[in-house]
Amino acid sequence: DTEVTQTPKHLVMGMTNKKSLKCEQHMGHRAMYWYKQKAKKPPELMFVYSYEKLSINESVPSRFSPECPNSSLLNLHLHALQPEDSALYLCASSQETSGPYEQYFGPGTRLTVT
Amino acid sequence: KQEVTQIPAALSVPEGENLVLNCSFTDSAIYNLQWFRQDPGKGLTSLLLIQSSQREQTSGRLNASLDKSSGRSTLYIAASQPGDSATYLCAVRSITSGSARQLTFGSGTQLTVLP
Repeated sequence: DTEVTQTPKHLVMGMTNKKSLKCEQHMGHRAMYWYKQKAKKPPELMFVYSYEKLSINESVPSRFSPECPNSSLLNLHLHALQPEDSALYLCASSQETSGPYEQYFGPGTRLTVT
Repeated sequence: KQEVTQIPAALSVPEGENLVLNCSFTDSAIYNLQWFRQDPGKGLTSLLLIQSSQREQTSGRLNASLDKSSGRSTLYIAASQPGDSATYLCAVRSITSGSARQLTFGSGTQLTVLP
């Protein structure tokens, strides 16, 4: 099974709401990633987890809070977002963070902030 | 810092044509290069992965080549079909340390195959 799943597929939230995005993989991968993608742009790396520990935070605002409860699950907690945070949020995983490993991407969550 | 460029940004071809998408990168110290397909509003589908020691990979009508020394890759699509219409992204996984080790994406080529 080479699948990365993400829920929900679509999310609409107000600027005062708190919501969470979920990502799951059962490939035994120890590296998991969050990306943000705006329309007609390539994905931008937000966070990298390695062995359930945050290893890279690409200067993401604190209104985005990642969490890796176990090796299969990755969450992204959202609070007090701005309309410009509306985007497609992609989760990915790979066997390790370094080395010649393929990254597998989920279908994404389309987030709209009103 | 790794930079990835894709040319052309957009391409429109009639059905049945063979076509080539180009990808270039500035730092040849890479683990591998991936080609992805993305349909509008959807996630990334991995098409082909070429390790740095390989010259090409094939899957069905797709063939990807890699010339690491010159920093170039091409994606060849044979006998194009309207269903091939999508944005194609290439991404390299760099060997250098820090976040540069992660995937660096090109801006993509938006392909339209006309029936």
